Amino acid sequence: DTGVSQDPRHKITKRGQNVTFRCDPISEHNRLYWYRQTLGQGPEFLTYFQNEAQLEKSRLLSDRFSAERPKGSFSTLEIQRTEQGDSAMYLCASSSRDLTDTQYFGPGTRLTVL
Amino acid sequence: GQNIDQPTEMTATEGAIVQINCTYQTSGFNGLFWYQQHAGEAPTFLSYNVLDGLEEKGRFSSFLSRSKGYSYLLLKELQMKDSASYLCAVREVGGSYIPTFGRGTSLIVHP
Repeated sequence: DTGVSQDPRHKITKRGQNVTFRCDPISEHNRLYWYRQTLGQGPEFLTYFQNEAQLEKSRLLSDRFSAERPKGSFSTLEIQRTEQGDSAMYLCASSSRDLTDTQYFGPGTRLTVL
Repeated sequence: GQNIDQPTEMTATEGAIVQINCTYQTSGFNGLFWYQQHAGEAPTFLSYNVLDGLEEKGRFSSFLSRSKGYSYLLLKELQMKDSASYLCAVREVGGSYIPTFGRGTSLIVHP
């Protein structure tokens, strides 16, 4: 069990650019989640996959955000035309559909939009 | 949806005991999680409660009262490394079962 990994760990970009983040979940976990977290706040849900199917998206997720999990393994989160308000920590978590369905988080990608 | 309330910040002394409270309102409770998050790092799972009572795990214990919409995390024999944010997350029945997180309680342990 190598845990959830995310890449890159840090990303600095200019406003208007597109960015893509990758998440590799724990190998036997079929559920994958993306969250966004800003300073002093708890993680805010963005979207969720079960296997390759995207089952839920937050109403807060603008159309500039898109996520994929093409083969039910790793996932990517893309932000198009980034804005300064997108600056945050983007966290990925995975879980298996066991009794508790506990989420295990990756180290996050810190995005700074200049 | 849930309304989750935690104190913003707490301070405590090394070696002491601290209790971090979490209250919530939900239409259908389906579990409560506590996570620890050090600055700049990812949340780390601490405990899960779905039935009333106390769950003990070493220095950390978590308590749940579903009728009161209340939980607490109890940290004993505090160490400096326990300085972190503690997040309470509540899951509701139905839908995707995705937990909603509170804002977290920043715990500062001083010598």
